[in-house]
Amino acid sequence: TQLLEQSPQFLSIQEGENLTVYCNSSSVFSSLQWYRQEPGEGPVLLVTVVTGGEVKKLKRLTFQFGDARKDSSLHITAAQPGDTGLYLCAGGGGEDGNNRKLIWGLGTSLAVNP
Amino acid sequence: KAGVTQTPRYLIKTRGQQVTLSCSPISGHRSVSWYQQTPGQGLQFLFEYFSETQRNKGNFPGRFSGRQFSNSRSEMNVSTLELGDSALYLCAIKESYGYTFGSGTRLTVV
Repeated sequence: TQLLEQSPQFLSIQEGENLTVYCNSSSVFSSLQWYRQEPGEGPVLLVTVVTGGEVKKLKRLTFQFGDARKDSSLHITAAQPGDTGLYLCAGGGGEDGNNRKLIWGLGTSLAVNP
Repeated sequence: KAGVTQTPRYLIKTRGQQVTLSCSPISGHRSVSWYQQTPGQGLQFLFEYFSETQRNKGNFPGRFSGRQFSNSRSEMNVSTLELGDSALYLCAIKESYGYTFGSGTRLTVV
């Protein structure tokens, strides 16, 4: 069974701190997506990475896809209360090569305190 | 206009009942995917429909079913509800860069 493991599961920090969350798997994925979800809402796509070693930046958020395409990280610089939410990673094109049936991690729940 | 509209937002049902949830993608999208989200299991893929045909299916019992209409609207049905079916049910459309989700239907089975 393919799994995407996210760590840490919970994170509570003060405004202005930096943080990194991780998404790891023993399987290779052709793409990896990061989403942020607020309570009572659906996930919202942040970024998609497709190339091993790829780094993408979205304002204060930096996403990296591992060279072997088995893991990814999300780094947030100077976190703000608006960054609070559940951060989910999802892999596509895994063992069955099906890009339309994403495998999801359980998420990292981030709370940024003012 | 939202990419995906799901109705209703909240539902409370009793064990043994059945329920139908609705998903309306923005015009032009022929593919709709359904997910179940629970705290312990995360998001789990239920099924995907494309042009009224089921294209992919997850590992859920036959009590979970779906369909898609010619206008791309989709419904999912859960029969003989169990307490463990309590979850957020999400519908999504695939864009070129990733998925756009609706706000979900929160189903509580009592």
